[in-house]
Amino acid sequence: DGGITQSPKYLFRKEGQNVTLSCEQNLNHDAMYWYRQDPGQGLRLIYYSQIVNDFQKGDIAEGYSVSREKKESFPLTVTSAQKNPTAFYLCASEGEDSSTGELFFGEGSRLTVL
Amino acid sequence: GESVGLHLPTLSVQEGDNSIINCAYSNSASDYFIWYKQESGKGPQFIIDIRSNMDKRQGQRVTVLLNKTVKHLSLQIAATQPGDSAVYFCAENTSGTYKYIFGTGTRLKVLA
Repeated sequence: DGGITQSPKYLFRKEGQNVTLSCEQNLNHDAMYWYRQDPGQGLRLIYYSQIVNDFQKGDIAEGYSVSREKKESFPLTVTSAQKNPTAFYLCASEGEDSSTGELFFGEGSRLTVL
Repeated sequence: GESVGLHLPTLSVQEGDNSIINCAYSNSASDYFIWYKQESGKGPQFIIDIRSNMDKRQGQRVTVLLNKTVKHLSLQIAATQPGDSAVYFCAENTSGTYKYIFGTGTRLKVLA
């Protein structure tokens, strides 16, 4: 089945560690996004990528990094510079030729800093 | 399970009744709107969308209404079922941009 796969679903990190969240899609979509979700807030954009080997900072990029070496993969690294990394992270993709502009979301990764 | 919103407004409805969830959007330039459903610990699921050249769109048991004058969007769910219990939020977008603005959401509780 086509879709977006995020892993791991749960991740625990000690302070000072970098962690990488995986996002893979087999929808042949060009655009991919990373959002952060915190209780009581709307989704906030961390990074997005419109095409392979290109990505742009979103509203809250500080302390995060991404890469887009392959069309189907858009991993997010949460670095030790991110001051409050505990959150639910959502990856999404969108097809260039999508008539609806619909964002397809993965199932999310919950990161907890110990 | 995890909660995506500990302090969200909550709408409680009786099973079989209709539900109406509201959203005020912020950008007058937005011309595309989406409603998502999110169950606890899961990613958002697309429900229905509408473009600004329409004021109403219907799907299976769901209807979205758009009032551009007051920048208001609503989601109507007919004959609400226990499986409809979730957090619902809206998203707005301006065509040609990659910027989506998401609402904080409303928790729908269906009472048996």
